Amino acid sequence: DTAVSQTPKYLVTQMGNDKSIKCEQNLGHDTMYWYKQDSKKFLKIMFSYNNKELIINETVPNRFSPKSPDKAHLNLHINSLELGDSAVYFCASSQGTGGARGYTFGSGTRLTVV
Amino acid sequence: KQEVTQIPAALSVPEGENLVLNCSFTDSAIYNLQWFRQDPGKGLTSLLLIQSSQREQTSGRLNASLDKSSGRSTLYIAASQPGDSATYLCAVSMTTDSWGKLQFGAGTQVVVTP
Repeated sequence: DTAVSQTPKYLVTQMGNDKSIKCEQNLGHDTMYWYKQDSKKFLKIMFSYNNKELIINETVPNRFSPKSPDKAHLNLHINSLELGDSAVYFCASSQGTGGARGYTFGSGTRLTVV
Repeated sequence: KQEVTQIPAALSVPEGENLVLNCSFTDSAIYNLQWFRQDPGKGLTSLLLIQSSQREQTSGRLNASLDKSSGRSTLYIAASQPGDSATYLCAVSMTTDSWGKLQFGAGTQVVVTP
């Protein structure tokens, strides 16, 4: 049973396209996150949702729009893709906003914009 | 602003040697610190979670210590095996940030040679 699952695992698309990445967790956690890992391997937070409410939005371009239809899902939609959006995107979840019991990450989505 | 640094950036050891990975952070007001393992093309696997009130955590061959006042954590892996080859990341969450976002170091890439 995969705890945090992301689809697709790989995504190759042309500049200007719109794409979505889906994330689902079956851990019963109430907080979900999107992180971006750039070419230098640094992981940085993008968004966080707690009980379907947006609680973190870290200076991310408006072209990125997260959507949380329920506590178990947090999807990421990206409009007008640019070359600089190429990265690995990780979804994560925790119980509570402080992550007192730690965080669980998905396996990542490698996005390549050509 | 919190900065998380991991030294060394890369490490190669023969099988059987003990591994010592270092993580330092500039702001001691952390809520907890977590060590992750990342395998190429895969997601992050949580190894150990240390709450700010704790001094160390152990799991099997892994032991992580935390010295909050000096801003340091060390991950020890005893009797290394080729299967330990991966990138190890440390991440902190802050007490000043109730939303629980993680701030990551750049990681230490470990190679254990048979």
